[in-house]
Amino acid sequence: GIQVEQSPPDLILQEGANSTLRCNFSDSVNNLQWFHQNPWGQLINLFYIPSGTKQNGRLSATTVATERYSLLYISSSQTTDSGVYFCAVPTTSGTYKYIFGTGTRLKVLA
Amino acid sequence: DAGVTQSPTHLIKTRGQHVTLRCSPISGHKSVSWYQQVLGQGPQFIFQYYEKEERGRGNFPDRFSARQFPNYSSELNVNALLLGDSALYLCASSFNGPFGTGLSEQYFGPGTRLTVT
Repeated sequence: GIQVEQSPPDLILQEGANSTLRCNFSDSVNNLQWFHQNPWGQLINLFYIPSGTKQNGRLSATTVATERYSLLYISSSQTTDSGVYFCAVPTTSGTYKYIFGTGTRLKVLA
Repeated sequence: DAGVTQSPTHLIKTRGQHVTLRCSPISGHKSVSWYQQVLGQGPQFIFQYYEKEERGRGNFPDRFSARQFPNYSSELNVNALLLGDSALYLCASSFNGPFGTGLSEQYFGPGTRLTVT
């Protein structure tokens, strides 16, 4: 089945720094989501981005479906950005499954 | 509009017991999915239901079952609980079902934290 790998697994930043998180997937996909899981376990939607580039405030995302990767950019990081970031993709053949990546754990220091 | 709601918030059960978790999707959404998240790992897909039919299934034993009601709410049932079933159980809703390229963005509820002792 499809494999979804994220990098880096862990990231520590000073407040105000910028970062790039990467999501690689092993098969073609027709949609992709980025989520932020806060310390209380709530998964917050960041982007629904099957292809192209989207921006929302300090965050932006780019998916290059033909090369099977997506990037999440965080600029001017804040302590509230801390948590785990996941990308997730659906299978496109066989039994339907929705696969989450391995996650990037981000800690932003004040 | 209310988001995805789940009940109960927390639950403690004993090995061998049965548990039922409940989920109400966002109004107008027809699809509900269930996930298990063990501490330190990402969510693992269990089921997706769309228009009251099972449309997707993850690699979970038959002890796990679910159903979707005419109002699109859903229940996840787990029989013969094991210690390893202790996890955060997440429900997500979307307007469309699987294999759709549009309106299939998933929105998650706050989860039910299940502890099996």
